[in-house]
Amino acid sequence: QLQLQESGPGLVKPAETLSLTCSVSGASISNNDYHWGWIRQSPGKGLDWIGSFYYTRITYYNPSLKSRVTMSVDTSKTQFSLKLTSVTAADTARYYCVSGRPGVADSWGQGTLVTVSS
Amino acid sequence: QSVLTQPPSVSAAPGQKVTISCSGSSSNFRGNYVSWYQHLPGTAPKVVIYEVNKRPSGIPDRFSGSKSGTSATLGITGLQTGDEADYYCAAWDQSLRTWLFGGGTKLTVL
Repeated sequence: QLQLQESGPGLVKPAETLSLTCSVSGASISNNDYHWGWIRQSPGKGLDWIGSFYYTRITYYNPSLKSRVTMSVDTSKTQFSLKLTSVTAADTARYYCVSGRPGVADSWGQGTLVTVSS
Repeated sequence: QSVLTQPPSVSAAPGQKVTISCSGSSSNFRGNYVSWYQHLPGTAPKVVIYEVNKRPSGIPDRFSGSKSGTSATLGITGLQTGDEADYYCAAWDQSLRTWLFGGGTKLTVL
């Protein structure tokens, strides 16, 4: 069974870069039948898609975040990461890594809360 | 503000039926990648409907989905107190190459 687990700093200073890692077990990131990506939820707000990728195919980003977001896969293919640059308080959120068939987030990590504050 | 519009809240009594709407533009729902997620406090969201009207394994047939034109609908029959949650719609817009989410609807089972 696929399991996802987010990790990374819980506190990031304004203007710095938020970096998170998603550890994957029970499936291979190189399986192109599945997408992998990130969704976040700011306090008191709804879900906000950040971006998704298929291993050897295209990567999609939320247009509103595209200029600040980078997603990548590590060489072991058991982890993928998110980098969000120039963060502000508006980027404070619980960040979930997700995976699934096209157009659906079948699996979710438990989420990790990231606070942007000095 | 979310691109997909959902009512902020709906409520119904146990055993009753409720529907949650999700409206957008025609391009938002042109494809069949419409999904619905149940989000209980303190847990990760869970998909209850995918590809408009399909239920993942383990989701009871009390949950149903449909779409028409510029909107999609989630239906829940035989409401139970355990169904109380926030529900989010999502649609993959192939034209925009963007995954859109609704603002969420809080379901209260009175």
